[in-house]
Amino acid sequence: EVQLVESGGGLVQPGGSLRLSCAASGFTFSSYSMNWVRQAPGKGLEWVSYISSSSSTIYYADSVKGRFTISRDNAKNSLYLQMNSLRDEDTAVYYCASAYNTDAFDIWGQGTMVTVSS
Amino acid sequence: EIVLTQSPATLSLSPGERATLSCRASQSVSSYLAWYQQKPGQAPRLLIYDASNRATGIPARFSGSGSGTDFTLTISSLEPEDFAVYYCQQRSNWLGTFGQGTKVEIK
Repeated sequence: EVQLVESGGGLVQPGGSLRLSCAASGFTFSSYSMNWVRQAPGKGLEWVSYISSSSSTIYYADSVKGRFTISRDNAKNSLYLQMNSLRDEDTAVYYCASAYNTDAFDIWGQGTMVTVSS
Repeated sequence: EIVLTQSPATLSLSPGERATLSCRASQSVSSYLAWYQQKPGQAPRLLIYDASNRATGIPARFSGSGSGTDFTLTISSLEPEDFAVYYCQQRSNWLGTFGQGTKVEIK
């Protein structure tokens, strides 16, 4: 079964850091680009970051550029999001997602909640 | 940055009725437009990719159309499980921006 499982969310103070992980299984992780998407409470979806299969191409949304770093370890079938200088507005459910059978996000994890609050 | 504008924000319909959702892009995205359905507490689910192709397992009552800047998601006859929030997303560049969503609610 193709599956993505996020972990690492939690409560962090403004200005703090957190590292999210996404474990992939059931497919050849190293062949697929990956993304992070977030959703603030009661709000819509916001694309956060993209990384190509070989890590050679990386993009960020303007809202997180310079604060978040996406990375992957193909040997461990894992995707990461290092989040620094966290702000209240970063509070959201964070999903990892990938274009697996199509060129859209056809596989998603269940999400991990990040709460930034003092 | 490509901005996607969805309308209406909320659609109030009864089961069995036809739903028509719109997504307009601020510049051409060719046919690189996807539609997702999201229910409370769940991850989004891909419905339509490349503007008009149904994803695996998606019922035929869901259809997508359009190209360039104007796109439509149509649900031909609403089933009880179709009441949810729907998002469009452009994939013409790797900044996969989403629209703000349309909520389809029971009238």
